[in-house]
Amino acid sequence: EDQVTQSPEALRLQEGESSSLNCSYTVSGLRGLFWYRQDPGKGPEFLFTLYSAGEEKEKERLKATLTKKESFLHITAPKPEDSATYLCAVFLISGGYNKLIFGAGTRLAVHP
Amino acid sequence: KAGVTQTPRYLIKTRGQQVTLSCSPISGHRSVSWYQQTPGQGLQFLFEYFSETQRNKGNFPGRFSGRQFSNSRSEMNVSTLELGDSALYLCASSVASTNEKLFFGSGTQLSVL
Repeated sequence: EDQVTQSPEALRLQEGESSSLNCSYTVSGLRGLFWYRQDPGKGPEFLFTLYSAGEEKEKERLKATLTKKESFLHITAPKPEDSATYLCAVFLISGGYNKLIFGAGTRLAVHP
Repeated sequence: KAGVTQTPRYLIKTRGQQVTLSCSPISGHRSVSWYQQTPGQGLQFLFEYFSETQRNKGNFPGRFSGRQFSNSRSEMNVSTLELGDSALYLCASSVASTNEKLFFGSGTQLSVL
């Protein structure tokens, strides 16, 4: 069964304390992986798309990487405004249909 | 450029009733997909519409249905509401496909009493 698992479920950091969020997947026919950020009361907001193992994308304090079995979202010197839930989603084709499977997310809290 | 607009923002219904949610995608986007988000199950795919045709469907019962109009606006309907249908319903649009980045609305928070 296709599955996406994010860890940890929740993470508390001090401002400036770098860390990484993990998204591991067991799917067949991965076509791409997405990272989204979701603030309370809002819909997810797109961050990155990764298509192949070894690929990396960066945006401000965030860097996403992809291997054959997992993706990491590295947060360097986080600020309180980085507090949000971070979701990863894998895109695959199954049974002739596009399929997008989201992980449960990691709730990140950055304290000053 | 206006974002994805969902109405209403909040909705309270009782068991057995039906509900219709509305989604206006970003201008020029032809793909609209719907998701249910709950604390226990996370984001789960309901269905996707493209050019007024349902192109893809998740594993939800037939009580959940949708449609898309010629202007790409979409509606989602849930009949015979159950307590377990309480959730945040999110609509997302993209230019042509769910394998592109999705632009989400703020959702409709549905509470079933």
